[in-house]
Order: sequence, then structure tokens, then C-alpha cells
Amino acid sequence: SQTIHQWPATLVQPVGSPLSLECTVEGTSNPNLYWYRQAAGRGLQLLFYSIGIDQISSEVPQNLSASRPQDRQFILSSKKLLLSDSGFYLCAGAPGANVLTFGAGSRLTVL
Amino acid sequence: AQRVTQPEKLLSVFKGAPVELKCNYSYSGSPELFWYVQYSRQRLQLLLRHISRESIKGFTADLNKGETSFHLKKPFAQEEDSAMYYCALSPTGGFKTIFGAGTRLFVKA
Repeated sequence: SQTIHQWPATLVQPVGSPLSLECTVEGTSNPNLYWYRQAAGRGLQLLFYSIGIDQISSEVPQNLSASRPQDRQFILSSKKLLLSDSGFYLCAGAPGANVLTFGAGSRLTVL
Repeated sequence: AQRVTQPEKLLSVFKGAPVELKCNYSYSGSPELFWYVQYSRQRLQLLLRHISRESIKGFTADLNKGETSFHLKKPFAQEEDSAMYYCALSPTGGFKTIFGAGTRLFVKA
């Protein structure tokens, strides 16, 4: 079965600093991978998804970017963080059939 | 445009009472519908999907294409059902899954 690993679990960063959240997949090959932001009362907002290496689709214009340098690695980045980037970020994978497996999440606080 | 609406942010019922969590969707094609659940201090996980037509932990959900709904039901709620529930939609054969805002279910003793 598929397992999603995310790190760091918690991150506190100053405004204007860079960001890198990493997600790796174990137990499957060539999964579809996703980054969501979870906000109370607003559910899960799809940020990016990827169907293969270097294939990234962005859903929401924003200060963030995503990359997939390897089949089982999905990275969420920013060059300069904004206060509004604070939130809880979830990585998910789907080996097929659109059934998502989620990571434990990364909580980002921008001060 | 795809949209998933969960009209209730919070639903509180007594143990043993029936529970229904509402989900309506907007999609022009043929979607796949899912319910995901997040228990306290656990990861978000799949509860059930409409094409499986299964009952999971006593929960069922029927896709009503006429009403564009996929409500989650359980005849007798248990305290361990307390959790955050998300309805989700994915285009058949597509890659994106979008979620509703979620409903927090409290089952009181």
C-alpha cells in the first residue's frame, strides 16, 4: 500500500524567507501527487497536482510553486513567504482510481 | 465549474440517533464522489466512494444524479464517529479531486 511522508511537520519562518516542504511516496510507482492547503471552515484547497516527473499543474495563482524532480518526490516551495502563506499543507498521492492517500501534514507559520 | 458544497459546518447528534451529512455537487460531466474522514490526531483517510456501493463503519452514501447529491448516512451514530467529514469529487478518468468545506460531527453520549 501507499504511504505519504511529509516534512517538516512544523515550520516557523519569517516573512520574506524561502520555503521548501517535501513529500515523498513509498509503496507505489508513478502516482499522481497533490498539494492541498487545509483551512478551518474552508476545507481543502487544491494548490498543485502532478501526473509525472516535471509535470505540474497549478490550480490557484499564488506565491507558491511546486516541483517533482523524481517520480516519488513532490516539493512545495516559495522564494519569499508572505503572512498569508501560513497554513496547514497536505500532500496526497493517488496510485490510481483517484483514491487519495494523505500525509500527516506540515504546519507553516509565517511571522 | 466543479464545486462541492457541504452546507453544515457542525452537526451534533446523540449516540444512537440517525445522522445525515449533506453534500451537493456541481459538475457538468460524470463525477466520482467520495467521503473522506479525519479522526482526532489522525490523517485524512478515505471512508467510502460511490462506485464501491459499500457500507463502511455503518455509513452509506447514495449518489443522486438528479439532485446532484451524495449525502452520507448512518442509522445509529456512535461516539467514535465524531470526526471531520469531507465530501470530494473527481472527474471520471480525471486527475483533480476537489473537496467541500467539511462538516464536523459530534456524537454526544
